[in-house]
Amino acid sequence: SQTIHQWPATLVQPVGSPLSLECTVEGTSNPNLYWYRQAAGRGLQLLFYSVGIGQISSEVPQNLSASRPQDRQFILSSKKLLLSDSGFYLCAWSLTLYGYTFGSGTRLTVV
Amino acid sequence: GIQVEQSPPDLILQEGANSTLRCNFSDSVNNLQWFHQNPWGQLINLFYIPSGTKQNGRLSATTVATERYSLLYISSSQTTDSGVYFCAVGSGNTPLVFGKGTRLSVIA
Repeated sequence: SQTIHQWPATLVQPVGSPLSLECTVEGTSNPNLYWYRQAAGRGLQLLFYSVGIGQISSEVPQNLSASRPQDRQFILSSKKLLLSDSGFYLCAWSLTLYGYTFGSGTRLTVV
Repeated sequence: GIQVEQSPPDLILQEGANSTLRCNFSDSVNNLQWFHQNPWGQLINLFYIPSGTKQNGRLSATTVATERYSLLYISSSQTTDSGVYFCAVGSGNTPLVFGKGTRLSVIA
C-alpha cells in the first residue's frame, strides 16, 4: 500500500536560519506531489506542485523553494526564514484527480 | 483562479444533532473533494464528488455542478466528528484549491 512520510513533525527555528522539510512517498511511481501551507489554523494555500522529477510549479512568490531530486521525494527549503513563514506545512500526493493523500504535517514556528 | 467559499465558518452542535455544510465555487470544476482535518492536523479525504450524491455511513455529500455548490451532511453527530471540514475544487489537471473550512465542535 502507499504511504507518505513527512518530517519533522514540529520545528522551531530562529529568523534568518535555513529550512529543509522532506516528504517521501512509498508504494507508487511518478506521483503528483504538492506542498500546502496552513496559517492560523484555517485554509490551505498551495505553495508548490510537481508532476515529475525536476518539474516544479510555484503558485505563490515567496521566501520558499521546492525541489524534487527523486521520483518520490519532495523537499521544501528556505535560505533565510522570516517570521511570516510560520505555519503548518502539509505535503500531499496523488496519481489521479481524486486521490489526494496528505502527510501528517510539520508545524513550523519561526522565532 | 477559482474561488471557494464555505459556510458557516464555525458550527457548534450537541451530540446527536444533524448539520449541513455548504461549499460554493466560482467556476466549472471536474474535481471536488471534501476533507476532514482532525484536532491533530491530519487531513482525511471524505468524498470525491464532482457531481451527484454519495453516502458513507453518517456522512453524505451532494454536488450540483450546474449551480456550483456542494453540500456535506452529517447526521447523528458524535464528538469524534469535531474538527475542520474543507471543500477543495479543481479543473482540468490543476491542483486543488481549498476553501477556508468550517470548524465543527460537537459537544457531549
